[in-house]
Amino acid sequence: DSGVTQTPKHLITATGQRVTLRCSPRSGDLSVYWYQQSLDQGLQFLIQYYNGEERAKGNILERFSAQQFPDLHSELNLSSLELGDSALYFCASSVDADTQYFGPGTRLTVL
Amino acid sequence: QKEVEQDPGPLSVPEGAIVSLNCTYSNSAFQYFMWYRQYSRKGPELLMYTYSSGNKEDGRFTAQVDKSSKYISLFIRDSQPSDSATYLCAMRDDKIIFGKGTRLHILP
Repeated sequence: DSGVTQTPKHLITATGQRVTLRCSPRSGDLSVYWYQQSLDQGLQFLIQYYNGEERAKGNILERFSAQQFPDLHSELNLSSLELGDSALYFCASSVDADTQYFGPGTRLTVL
Repeated sequence: QKEVEQDPGPLSVPEGAIVSLNCTYSNSAFQYFMWYRQYSRKGPELLMYTYSSGNKEDGRFTAQVDKSSKYISLFIRDSQPSDSATYLCAMRDDKIIFGKGTRLHILP
């Protein structure tokens, strides 16, 4: 158990809908990272927050957004969902950039 | 050319064998190199972390970085069935880039 929690575990929704994924980092970790993992693209970095501020952006679509709250939990919002958004979404937290602890992931299925 | 290339496998080896997993990369700015292990239906977990070139050993695991060849390796000695997982290389300059992972099966 990494100490990072993610909810929900599974999410099934329809195209065009909007969903919110939630992540609670390990106690004391200020950084939160979001990743998307699919069979064809592998693990892709989406975005990083540090202590409530956006720190780095990766391959995140404009339809996706994230935020980190004062209690350091983070949410990833996915809107106007498409079939191709079906993937595993991981959150990771860290004290430093190189030792990231991953949560168990949320499996999103868009029908 | 992709930034990080990793053979997807699967790689099947008998228990007790030495396993060699490799990645090549194109961006010479990468300074930090990592190996993650991912079991089925789980998140990746950090196995090894190396800064710049050289070797690092941790138990049965050895990570090797050759920056001149843009090539990194992970060696697993005395492989066990519990080592069966997907192994992802990762490297970083200002952002972290992952390889697609190699699926490893250790046959009892």
